[in-house]
Amino acid sequence: GAVVSQHPSRVICKSGTSVKIECRSLDFQATTMFWYRQFPKKSLMLMATSNEGSKATYEQGVEKDKFLINHASLTLSTLTVTSAHPEDSSFYICSAWGQGRAEEEKLFFGSGTQLSVL
Amino acid sequence: GENVEQHPSTLSVQEGDSAVIKCTYSDSASNYFPWYKQELGKRPQLIIDIRSNVGEKKDQRIAVTLNKTAKHFSLHITETQPEDSAVYFCAASPSGGSNYKLTFGKGTLLTVNP
Repeated sequence: GAVVSQHPSRVICKSGTSVKIECRSLDFQATTMFWYRQFPKKSLMLMATSNEGSKATYEQGVEKDKFLINHASLTLSTLTVTSAHPEDSSFYICSAWGQGRAEEEKLFFGSGTQLSVL
Repeated sequence: GENVEQHPSTLSVQEGDSAVIKCTYSDSASNYFPWYKQELGKRPQLIIDIRSNVGEKKDQRIAVTLNKTAKHFSLHITETQPEDSAVYFCAASPSGGSNYKLTFGKGTLLTVNP
């Protein structure tokens, strides 16, 4: 299937710092990517829809100034957690719809980023 | 918006038995229903999906059924194996592809005991 690459896989940072997470679609273009957050033993919660060349669309309750999303190219979306606090510690995961007749209507996920804020 | 309910939250079966996980959805416009398997600390992996133009789809030991009238769909795993142990998520979307977002159920922790 289509491959979505996400980096870093794990990051530990101090409270108050910012962390950037990258999500890349490999060998296909993704005009739209989705960012999810997942707490331990919980479901995937959609945070925002990242749109190439335009502003991201945030879900209700998600602070857009806290979670900055940039989708500057057709293969790269970034999520920056600004002024991180311990409550931001979570598993962040991106996704994109594949391309090609069989793949284009299937959503593929990146490998996820485990963020720990001390 | 769409609301997806998933049951049970945990399921324990003996190796070789069948496992069934059920989901209901609220938005009648939804017509794409994937199932994902997620192992601890890993990404969700698509295992099977179904669209509203069919009522059942099968792939080896895995099958999914859909009842659009009742707005529910189910995952069936036969001849379960220990490696099937994971969290399974159902999801629903108005359409597959492009800008459409998936709404996920809360997940089912499946444990297959050897």
